[in-house]
Amino acid sequence: EPEVTQTPSHQVTQMGQEVILRCVPISNHLYFYWYRQILGQKVEFLVSFYNNEISEKSEIFDDQFSVERPDGSNFTLKIRSTKLEDSAMYFCASSELRGTEAFFGQGTRLTVV
Amino acid sequence: AQSVTQLDSQVPVFEEAPVELRCNYSSSVSVYLFWYVQYPNQGLQLLLKYLSGSTLVESINGFEAEFNKSQTSFHLRKPSVHISDTAEYFCAVSPKGGSNYKLTFGKGTLLTVNP
Repeated sequence: EPEVTQTPSHQVTQMGQEVILRCVPISNHLYFYWYRQILGQKVEFLVSFYNNEISEKSEIFDDQFSVERPDGSNFTLKIRSTKLEDSAMYFCASSELRGTEAFFGQGTRLTVV
Repeated sequence: AQSVTQLDSQVPVFEEAPVELRCNYSSSVSVYLFWYVQYPNQGLQLLLKYLSGSTLVESINGFEAEFNKSQTSFHLRKPSVHISDTAEYFCAVSPKGGSNYKLTFGKGTLLTVNP
């Protein structure tokens, strides 16, 4: 069964460092998303991506964040200068059609120290 | 904009008992509705969805949810739970049509099934 794959599963980084979280969406999906879940809180939308551009972003997704689809398979989230409050589980998701069910990856747990 | 309210943050039940996890939503447009499940130390898995048609939808592991438009609810039920159903359950909505199609999640309900 096709699935969304995220790497790494866990990343520890020092405050101020850049991190890149990687995702391989399901191959025939056209819509891609990043969500995050701070420990004990709800899953929050960060950004959606379609046709090689950002479709929508939340207030959380400030200038420190960027997304890229560098080739036909990968979808990355970059945090330019990490802060302690960026510590969270980051989920990548993809969907075949707009607004229908999104399939999530297992997540990358980012710990900023 | 959409919002989702899951009234119960924790629901403890005994094995083989019935359970209902409540979900209410608010939206100015029609929505798709979803339940996702997160088992301990795992990612989010789609449990069931309502896109259109019959308002009662079922999952393969015995859960069901009913879309009630007048009450703007999408409660999740199971007549007899197992220990393995212990997980966090998230209700989510996304708007039909338009350019905004992100998922908006509720805060989640932790279902704990005790022997």
